[in-house]
Amino acid sequence: RKEVEQDPGPFNVPEGATVAFNCTYSNSASQSFFWYRQDCRKEPKLLMSVYSSGNEDGRFTAQLNRASQYISLLIRDSKLSDSATYLCVVKLTSNYQLIWGAGTKLIIKP
Amino acid sequence: GAGVSQSPSNKVTEKGKDVELRCDPISGHTALYWYRQSLGQGLEFLIYFQGNSAPDKSGLPSDRFSAERTGGSVSTLTIQRTQQEDSAVYLCAAQRGGFTDTQYFGPGTRLTVL
Repeated sequence: RKEVEQDPGPFNVPEGATVAFNCTYSNSASQSFFWYRQDCRKEPKLLMSVYSSGNEDGRFTAQLNRASQYISLLIRDSKLSDSATYLCVVKLTSNYQLIWGAGTKLIIKP
Repeated sequence: GAGVSQSPSNKVTEKGKDVELRCDPISGHTALYWYRQSLGQGLEFLIYFQGNSAPDKSGLPSDRFSAERTGGSVSTLTIQRTQQEDSAVYLCAAQRGGFTDTQYFGPGTRLTVL
């Protein structure tokens, strides 16, 4: 079983719709959680950190469920420019290494 | 510099040749990571440098891979006797230092081994 698992997609979503995807992690010692965005043939860029209480940044909402060991990302009022691969990233308490999911591909259609 | 730069952007080499990839991180960012990303896959950790500490090489896939970081700044990743399975995008990331700090990535080097 992979340490961080994501549905690879692609998620094909009409513009303006709301889309959500989850990411599950296997190590209960995981401490910090992030969503990165990666455009095609580009490097990953931080989208948002995920806090225990959940957090929102504009149209993006991230949630953490420690009991079930998953994090989620919700995108409201999706834009064409949201098309990208969204990478779930987990950091263990005792280690500086980041464990990366393989990403969920999102395609927003006009 | 303002961001992380990597060179070359693309490298095509023949199986068995050695290659050297370069990363020039953000000034003042003491932590530097090398990752490898194969097509459609997540990032695979290779090596981590933090200041003057001994690097964490636990992610290097074989002894054909090595990396150096000179003067706490520029880093080079060397792959000896390249194999076709080494083909991937090699990404370098700089981090200011704290464990929860954002990682800033370079544009990557796309390595193709024929």
